[in-house]
Amino acid sequence: NAGVTQTPKFQVLKTGQSMTLQCAQDMNHEYMSWYRQDPGMGLRLIHYSVGAGITDQGEVPNGYNVSRSTTEDFPLRLLSAAPSQTSVYFCASRTTGGVRGDTQYFGPGTRLTVL
Amino acid sequence: AQSVAQPEDQVNVAEGNPLTVKCTYSVSGNPYLFWYVQYPNRGLQFLLKYITGDNLVKGSYGFEAEFNKSQTSFHLKKPSALVSDSALYFCAVRDYGNNRLAFGKGNQVVVIP
Repeated sequence: NAGVTQTPKFQVLKTGQSMTLQCAQDMNHEYMSWYRQDPGMGLRLIHYSVGAGITDQGEVPNGYNVSRSTTEDFPLRLLSAAPSQTSVYFCASRTTGGVRGDTQYFGPGTRLTVL
Repeated sequence: AQSVAQPEDQVNVAEGNPLTVKCTYSVSGNPYLFWYVQYPNRGLQFLLKYITGDNLVKGSYGFEAEFNKSQTSFHLKKPSALVSDSALYFCAVRDYGNNRLAFGKGNQVVVIP
């Protein structure tokens, strides 16, 4: 299994541009989520999904959109990039039940810079 | 709302000495508690978790953590630190039945040779 994969690894945008961060998992996990990591602030939840067709907001959803059309994929869209969105973005997945259900697996991250 | 506090920004320890990284939590119900480690320019790796049962949990790379309900703490420990343990450590908590995982700010651990 590849686990959780993210593309791209690095991205530089200009203010106002839009882009999509890709996330995929091959573990058939129901639950997927997006976090951003900023120095001294830990990880903050942006959006999450408990299954295909179901998404919900986390702590810091403004400026981001998500959709979940398949179990495997959970893309994060930046509609109009702002310098405040400069961060490292992590995608994560887990099952929603069972002995292994509570361990969350993380992707390698996308480092985004908005100029 | 669930939350986690990691009171120390950085923990310095000499190689071979015991390592402790502190974590306290706040939840409304029974907690699920986790420790993750992040090496430079990498994603988070799972170390260990407490769901129920024995308060002392053993995990990867010789780490363990003790769940203390009365003190609402879940401190991470390792009896003898290695230079390779130098990394960023995150504590996280989730209420049973709640899908959201709340992370602490992280502790930078520096193991000095």
